[in-house]
Amino acid sequence: NAGVMQNPRHLVRRRGQEARLRCSPMKGHSHVYWYRQLPEEGLKFMVYLQKENIIDESGMPKERFSAEFPKEGPSILRIQQVVRGDSAAYFCASSPPGAVNTGELFFGEGSRLTVL
Amino acid sequence: AQKITQTQPGMFVQEKEAVTLDCTYDTSDPSYGLFWYKQPSSGEMIFLIYQGSYDQQNATEGRYSLNFQKARKSANLVISASQLGDSAMYFCAMRGDRAGYALNFGKGTSLLVTP
Repeated sequence: NAGVMQNPRHLVRRRGQEARLRCSPMKGHSHVYWYRQLPEEGLKFMVYLQKENIIDESGMPKERFSAEFPKEGPSILRIQQVVRGDSAAYFCASSPPGAVNTGELFFGEGSRLTVL
Repeated sequence: AQKITQTQPGMFVQEKEAVTLDCTYDTSDPSYGLFWYKQPSSGEMIFLIYQGSYDQQNATEGRYSLNFQKARKSANLVISASQLGDSAMYFCAMRGDRAGYALNFGKGTSLLVTP
């Protein structure tokens, strides 16, 4: 009974490269959330997706960041032309249908991006 | 707008003692939920406890309890009988019904349990 799976756990990129972070939600969960944690900070909401739909992207930077959750396969957070300020831990969380307002989010172990 | 404030950057507690981690919040939502998460040094986020704003009783989960004082807008986490494995970062978070689906997190409190 696997939890939320994120990969890679650690990713190193040079400035200007692309970073792709993947997230497979828990079995039976159709809601996926991406959060970013900067050093010494709490998590900041980025985007909320359901299968093939972006529901809320109010926390996503306007440029270079995109997210998708296709019908088949994991959710992808894509960062183009990375800069040093993108270095952070990126957490994916999932929740089952019907638990959006009251239910807990189940978090993955995070993907730690380092931009050189 | 919602705001979560955790004023204690770090706390120490002796093993087997109880400890209270403070959390205050501000929101204009009439209905909201409050959460506590634990983040050990390995980095994962572990859900601990949830309190709904209309819940009449304070939430409890094993050694964790939430001291919810709605009028004071506080949602402090109480850990009883601390264990060495409780050493971690603790984050308070809230979600408001009108504020979308985002969980808003505080900056966290680092708890160190000493023998």
